[in-house]
Amino acid sequence: IAGITQAPTSQILAAGRRMTLRCTQDMRHNAMYWYRQDLGLGLRLIHYSNTAGTTGKGEVPDGYSVSRANTDDFPLTLASAVPSQTSVYFCASITVPRSSPLHFGNGTRLTVT
Amino acid sequence: TQLLEQSPQFLSIQEGENLTVYCNSSSVFSSLQWYRQEPGEGPVLLVTVVTGGEVKKLKRLTFQFGDARKDSSLHITAAQPGDTGLYLCAGPEGGADGLTFGKGTHLIIQP
Repeated sequence: IAGITQAPTSQILAAGRRMTLRCTQDMRHNAMYWYRQDLGLGLRLIHYSNTAGTTGKGEVPDGYSVSRANTDDFPLTLASAVPSQTSVYFCASITVPRSSPLHFGNGTRLTVT
Repeated sequence: TQLLEQSPQFLSIQEGENLTVYCNSSSVFSSLQWYRQEPGEGPVLLVTVVTGGEVKKLKRLTFQFGDARKDSSLHITAAQPGDTGLYLCAGPEGGADGLTFGKGTHLIIQP
């Protein structure tokens, strides 16, 4: 079934540890995004990539990095996790035009202790 | 960043009642989308509105885009427990080519 796969589904991580959240899509979408969702704050954009080989910063990029080596994969790395990064992380993808649907994965629930 | 404000934040009503939720901005959007999110899943697109004044219907759900393209509403007729979820409005964010989201309306329909 075409879509976005995120891994892991959930993770408990000690503060200071490094963690990579994986995201793979099989829809050949050119643009991909990472959002975090927090109660009361909604979905906030962390980083994005409009096409393979390019990335950009969203609203809340500090403490996170991304790479886009190919069309399908868009990993999100926390270099040194902090408790404020406890959240649910969603990967999403879209193809132009912008009025087309943004497709989401089912999220990764991350707890930093 | 263009802000989208949704109201109410929480709404709990009885099955069979009607309801309306709102999405407002001080900015003009070329289009607005409505998503529905269930626990443990990502948001799923319900509808996209593009033209000012546009009305779209999806079974018991009616979506309207304001004439000035700064606001939108979602009206649900005869709500069912299956309508329970988080409803999000979203519009294009110019810089990232992504979407900016409102904080959502948590809707609970009680049997």
